[in-house]
Amino acid sequence: AQSVTQLGSHVSVSEGALVLLRCNYSSSVPPYLFWYVQYPNQGLQLLLKYTSAATLVKGINGFEAEFKKSETSFHLTKPSAHMSDAAEYFCAADTGRRALTFGSGTRLQVQP
Amino acid sequence: NAGVTQTPKFRILKIGQSMTLQCTQDMNHNYMYWYRQDPGMGLKLIYYSVGAGITDKGEVPNGYNVSRSTTEDFPLRLELAAPSQTSVYFCASRPRLAGASLPSSYNEQFFGPGTRLTVL
Repeated sequence: AQSVTQLGSHVSVSEGALVLLRCNYSSSVPPYLFWYVQYPNQGLQLLLKYTSAATLVKGINGFEAEFKKSETSFHLTKPSAHMSDAAEYFCAADTGRRALTFGSGTRLQVQP
Repeated sequence: NAGVTQTPKFRILKIGQSMTLQCTQDMNHNYMYWYRQDPGMGLKLIYYSVGAGITDKGEVPNGYNVSRSTTEDFPLRLELAAPSQTSVYFCASRPRLAGASLPSSYNEQFFGPGTRLTVL
């Protein structure tokens, strides 16, 4: 069965520092992969998605992610963190079952 | 467009009570989903629907029921509430793929704001 693993339930960075949130998937078939962001008391908003068109995917708010098949990874990065980036981030995968399998989430804190 | 709307935003139930969580989307999407989000556990799929009159179970369907009589509405029913159903519930929708074999045509899921349910 498909599973998605996010390493680190909490990540803290300083404002202006690099953001790196890790996501690994387990599947013999590369799935469609997504990163969603959830701000407090809100629903999920799509940051970016990988659909095999390009391995480096750019999303909203300066985030990007690189699909690495050899590492079964889809890590999310942003060169310079902003206070407004503080939120919970979810990696998700879809192998064609029409629904998403989510990782357990990573809460990003941005220190001033 | 309002997108995906959910009501109520918050609810407290007593054990054994029943309730219906409402979900409506105005984007004419074929696919609709119900997820629950438990702390530190991510989102898990409860039920989903690929169109009016068609529903199917997800990972954690026990204790829930759904119906899909219209394209717009996908209510989730809890018949006998239990403390284990304390969670945040999200409804989502996605359009039908025009070219399902083309990865670049994959459509994202759109999420509602959630319903926070506590069962005491």
